[in-house]
Amino acid sequence: DAGITQSPRYKITETGRQVTLMCHQTWSHSYMFWYRQDLGHGLRLIYYSAAADITDKGEVPDGYVVSRSKTENFPLTLESATRSQTSVYFCASSELRTGDGYTFGSGTRLTVV
Amino acid sequence: SQQGEEDPQALSIQEGENATMNCSYKTSINNLQWYRQNSGRGLVHLILIRSNEREKHSGRLRVTLDTSKKSSSLLITASRAADTASYFCATGSSNDYKLSFGAGTTVTVRA
Repeated sequence: DAGITQSPRYKITETGRQVTLMCHQTWSHSYMFWYRQDLGHGLRLIYYSAAADITDKGEVPDGYVVSRSKTENFPLTLESATRSQTSVYFCASSELRTGDGYTFGSGTRLTVV
Repeated sequence: SQQGEEDPQALSIQEGENATMNCSYKTSINNLQWYRQNSGRGLVHLILIRSNEREKHSGRLRVTLDTSKKSSSLLITASRAADTASYFCATGSSNDYKLSFGAGTTVTVRA
């Protein structure tokens, strides 16, 4: 189906483990984004990307790594998970440079124990 | 730090009433957008207003933008139970393509 898909939907991991959250979009949108959502903080930008092999740090990049070898995929890796990274993670994509009309995935709820 | 700040944090209204929420931001913008998030779901784009526009309508939604006060408002008229959700404003600048989101307003519509 067309759209933006995040996987897994839920994930529980232990402190110190590496975990990768997947994001796949079928529109060939140039721009893709990773946000985390925590109570009281709204959405905070972790990393974003303008095209394959072009990524930039957002507001809260520490402890995260991204890659974008293909336009349609934008995985987010937590290199060594910490409890403070327990959050809901949203991937989004956009066609236009001005960010018009982001389309969001359904999110991944990550719990680090 | 977040660009947008919504007010109020929470709002409870009766079905059929209007709901108004406000967003203030700090730096100059290219556009301002409003999104809705139902519980446990992703955000859905509602409406975009550009910096040279003052008012925009979409169905039961009315958005205003006052760039001199760096503020926007979202009005939902004749609210329905299905409007129960969190609403977020997001600002886009002309310098970059990322959006900055506020913390959101949680709206509860009582039947």
